[in-house]
Amino acid sequence: DIVMTQSPDSLAVSLGERATINCKSSQSVLYSSNKKNYLAWYRQKPGHPPKLVISWASARESGVPDRFSGSGSGTDFTLTISSLQAEDVAVYYCQQYYSPPYTFGQGTKLEIK
Amino acid sequence: EVQLVESGGGVVQPGGSLRLSCAASGFTFSSFWMHWVRQAPGEGLVWVSRISTDGSSTTYADSVKGRFTVSRDNAKNTLYLQLNSLRAEDTAVYYCARPRITGIPDGFDPWGQGTLVTVSS
Repeated sequence: DIVMTQSPDSLAVSLGERATINCKSSQSVLYSSNKKNYLAWYRQKPGHPPKLVISWASARESGVPDRFSGSGSGTDFTLTISSLQAEDVAVYYCQQYYSPPYTFGQGTKLEIK
Repeated sequence: EVQLVESGGGVVQPGGSLRLSCAASGFTFSSFWMHWVRQAPGEGLVWVSRISTDGSSTTYADSVKGRFTVSRDNAKNTLYLQLNSLRAEDTAVYYCARPRITGIPDGFDPWGQGTLVTVSS
């Protein structure tokens, strides 16, 4: 199984400042034939299901603000929120869908400092 | 509107069984692989199972293999998860989820609102 490890476990950032969450996979999730990274990022607010924010490591979903961006390739990935807003407070998860079981990271709790 | 609605959760004793349902609407259900993901109270997301478009192929997490069975009824646009030999550690909110696009693996969107399964004596 591919193990997904996020860092940090929790993060406190001031409003308007940059937030960076890292995700590392135990093996590459880059599919050689199409050069795509099978990596997604989700945001989950309390009492709600997760919401897809980024797919293919860097493709922002429709309706997601452009302050959210994803980067990385192979085994190391980053979710960046360029200017933190109050509504961004949530737990963020990465997930690989390269091979089943489609494992998630343990989550990163993002709070306002 | 694309929608997934789970049902069937509840309180069950250890060793008991439960069947969860996920009713799909707003899209061509039979064209999508479907997934179950669970989340224990206060914990993270754990992928549980997937099923192919026609139900002929299924995959499970090791933690549920041999105890849970995923199935689907494309005529009823409904996904199922049969939970047998339940343990306390199976207590969780169970979500059904659909890949964003059909044909290849992808991130999950949408998700249902979840149904809570509590295993307790």
